[in-house]
Amino acid sequence: EVQLVQSGAEVKKPGESLKISCRASGYSFTTYRLSWVRQTPGKGLEWLGRIDPSDSQIHYSPSFQGHVTFSIDVSTSTAYLRWNSLKASDTAMYHCVRHGVVGGIFYFDVWGRGTLVSVSS
Amino acid sequence: DIQMTQSPSSLSASVGDRVSITCRAAESMSNYLNWYQQKPGRAPNLLIYAAYFLHSGVPSRFTGSASGPEFTLTINNLQPEDFATYYCQQSYRIPWTFGQGTKVEI
Repeated sequence: EVQLVQSGAEVKKPGESLKISCRASGYSFTTYRLSWVRQTPGKGLEWLGRIDPSDSQIHYSPSFQGHVTFSIDVSTSTAYLRWNSLKASDTAMYHCVRHGVVGGIFYFDVWGRGTLVSVSS
Repeated sequence: DIQMTQSPSSLSASVGDRVSITCRAAESMSNYLNWYQQKPGRAPNLLIYAAYFLHSGVPSRFTGSASGPEFTLTINNLQPEDFATYYCQQSYRIPWTFGQGTKVEI
């Protein structure tokens, strides 16, 4: 079964660092790109960016560039999302998602359950 | 960023109804449009990709269509399990963006 298993919920204070994970199973990790998507009640679904596990090429959304960092560990089929300095506005559910593609059109065909990140002083 | 405007933001319907949800893009984007369903407490699930194509395992009562910058998700013969929130998403230009969602309620 194709799965994206994410790490557990986190409670942090503003200014702290955090790294959450997404472990893929059931498919060839380097064959499919991954994105990170966050969800909040106020702003809905937002795309943070994507990473290609085959060559580690990354594309960040301008709205998140410089605030988050993507990385991968191919040996464990795991993707990571990291913050060096959290803000209260980072409070959200974060999903990793796998890309499907047809004719150059990308879509999110597998979703992780999400990691809830809460940032509060 | 390409803004995606969904309408309505919510609708009330009954089992057996036919409902349509519209997503309008700020510019033409061919068929670079996907639809997702989300139930409370769950992650979204892919329904339709590339505007028209039904994702594996999705019932055929879900259909997608497109006309210029306007995309439509239609649910025929609404079933109890279809009461959820639906989102469109464009993958035409980075940053990829989502509509604000349409909640389908009883």
